[in-house]
Amino acid sequence: GAGVSQSPRYKVTKRGQDVALRCDPISGHVSLYWYRQALGQGPEFLTYFNYEAQQDKSGLPNDRFSAERPEGSISTLTIQRTEQRDSAMYRCASSPRVNTGELFFGEGSRLTVL
Amino acid sequence: ILNVEQSPQSLHVQEGDSTNFTCSFPSSNFYALHWYRWETAKSPEALFVMTLNGDEKKKGRISATLNTKEGYSYLYIKGSQPEDSATYLCASSVQAGTALIFGKGTTLSVSS
Repeated sequence: GAGVSQSPRYKVTKRGQDVALRCDPISGHVSLYWYRQALGQGPEFLTYFNYEAQQDKSGLPNDRFSAERPEGSISTLTIQRTEQRDSAMYRCASSPRVNTGELFFGEGSRLTVL
Repeated sequence: ILNVEQSPQSLHVQEGDSTNFTCSFPSSNFYALHWYRWETAKSPEALFVMTLNGDEKKKGRISATLNTKEGYSYLYIKGSQPEDSATYLCASSVQAGTALIFGKGTTLSVSS
């Protein structure tokens, strides 16, 4: 497709389970960002990649969160031992250029932890 | 993580009014400033990317200015229309290779 694709769009899981959220960026885009977005709020930075290198993971809340982009294209955000407070919209965005390129956002993955 | 602040948090205007809101960011080591428009149930869409002090950009009735020395950007909407109702997000980065950090947004409501 032409846009950023995220899957699953909706995920309901029980507390303690692991979840993996996938982001397929626009082909050729260099940078890939993960954000978490609470209802009605701006995106909260989690981590980002330039090509396959994770540039900054300072926004990851704790060590249950991890992300990878092994071949510089598709990225996976993994949350281990999920907790109810992890429930949120997780958005991925990609950009054709580092820093000055505009971000193209995916539709997000809505995670609900019961 | 740098602090990007937007004000006001929300505002309500009448159709035809012009309005503006502010994005504040750390002025030291500034690299880039982005503005996005976000409608409920959709994904944020880019409006402007600015890098130079004094930059002004315009798209239709929406324009933005940038002051990197004092660390602020203004977004202006001329003759607001109901379809302008959305949350406007700004984001900033410092130094090449650092993350793009968003503010919490300004939610604009335009009534006819």
